[in-house]
Amino acid sequence: GENVEQHPSTLSVQEGDSAVIKCTYSDSASNYFPWYKQELGKRPQLIIDIRSNVGEKKDQRIAVTLNKTAKHFSLHITETQPEDSAVYFCAASTAAGNKLTFGGGTRVLVKP
Amino acid sequence: GAVVSQHPSRVICKSGTSVKIECRSLDFQATTMFWYRQFPKKSLMLMATSNEGSKATYEQGVEKDKFLINHASLTLSTLTVTSAHPEDSSFYICSARDMGQQYFGPGTRLTVT
Repeated sequence: GENVEQHPSTLSVQEGDSAVIKCTYSDSASNYFPWYKQELGKRPQLIIDIRSNVGEKKDQRIAVTLNKTAKHFSLHITETQPEDSAVYFCAASTAAGNKLTFGGGTRVLVKP
Repeated sequence: GAVVSQHPSRVICKSGTSVKIECRSLDFQATTMFWYRQFPKKSLMLMATSNEGSKATYEQGVEKDKFLINHASLTLSTLTVTSAHPEDSSFYICSARDMGQQYFGPGTRLTVT
């Protein structure tokens, strides 16, 4: 089955700096890669996703890149703000709406 | 957007008893729902895929007789933790599929004493 590795497990950045989280996956059949933000005790919230026919996608301060050959994808958050502090999860699936395999999570702390 | 609810949000039960958690899609019909489990400061682990009108598909290592899933209608899936033990204490989150997206419920925190 699919295996998703996520790094780093914790990330502390100064407000205004950029944050980068990297994930690798094992199953070449995976074609859909969402990123979720989860605050303590809350449900995961989809923040951005990318499909395998696209190499990069951007939404305001958030961008995701995908290298299907190398089987890795990354989340980039620019101009970080304290409200970006949360746990971020990458995930992989064979298609949007199919079962998800999650990475281990990255706890991001943005220091004011 | 699509809304998924879970009930209860928190439950405390005694060891040996069973607990039922409900997952509802409020404004759409979901033929497929998923059940995840999340330990403190850990990731979400898929337990099973719930299919309306048919048996659930369990992930490897998940005991189907312990975690009973029933998807009796297009808006409701239930997870019953039978003969719960302290090691079953966890955050259980469901999601429902709509238009090619998964929408997560708010989660249920189960504590078994």
